[in-house]
Amino acid sequence: DAGITQSPRHKVTETGTPVTLRCHQTENHRYMYWYRQDPGHGLRLIHYSYGVKDTDKGEVSDGYSVSRSKTEDFLLTLESATSSQTSVYFCATLSAGNTIYFGEGSWLTVV
Amino acid sequence: GENVEQHPSTLSVQEGDSAVIKCTYSDSASNYFPWYKQELGKRPQLIIDIRSNVGEKKDQRIAVTLNKTAKHFSLHITETQPEDSAVYFCAPKDPNSGGSNYKLTFGKGTLLTVNP
Repeated sequence: DAGITQSPRHKVTETGTPVTLRCHQTENHRYMYWYRQDPGHGLRLIHYSYGVKDTDKGEVSDGYSVSRSKTEDFLLTLESATSSQTSVYFCATLSAGNTIYFGEGSWLTVV
Repeated sequence: GENVEQHPSTLSVQEGDSAVIKCTYSDSASNYFPWYKQELGKRPQLIIDIRSNVGEKKDQRIAVTLNKTAKHFSLHITETQPEDSAVYFCAPKDPNSGGSNYKLTFGKGTLLTVNP
């Protein structure tokens, strides 16, 4: 597995609180992604980054923001968490050979 | 962007049978075709891929076939075993897209259950 770590791995938070998930990679991959995975919906792209400080929206970006201040870190922030954001979040990177490597996932519950 | 569809969404087979999952895509520029396997509670991982200059690729019990004209590719698993039970995703890609167009779109996944 590529060196991708996510933190926290599990979190329970209350509605209306801000939450930040961190993705850290040691592979020096340029492209990084945040997906959420929900039953019946597969992997849906939230935001992605194509370089330091370069990010763009995916298909389900409402309520989420991201930042990438250095190559190895890609942060996903829920400004004000809602119950609909309860999900499993996966960070991913894209290698030069086009292989996608995923982190282990972050299980987020908003109560 | 790429429209990706997988069929079927669920597939149940008996151990030892074959399984086939199909992925249809819309972007004719795509020329990289991978399949990912996600076991329950785990992260997706690449199991096999094919590039457009090849029609078929095999790796032991799994194979991928490509029909570029019809814009679909398929995952074939022979002699299925219980450990093949997982969700499988396709993610066709145009590797020449770059910069801000580097979105990655997955199919919705196929849940394969292999019954002992």
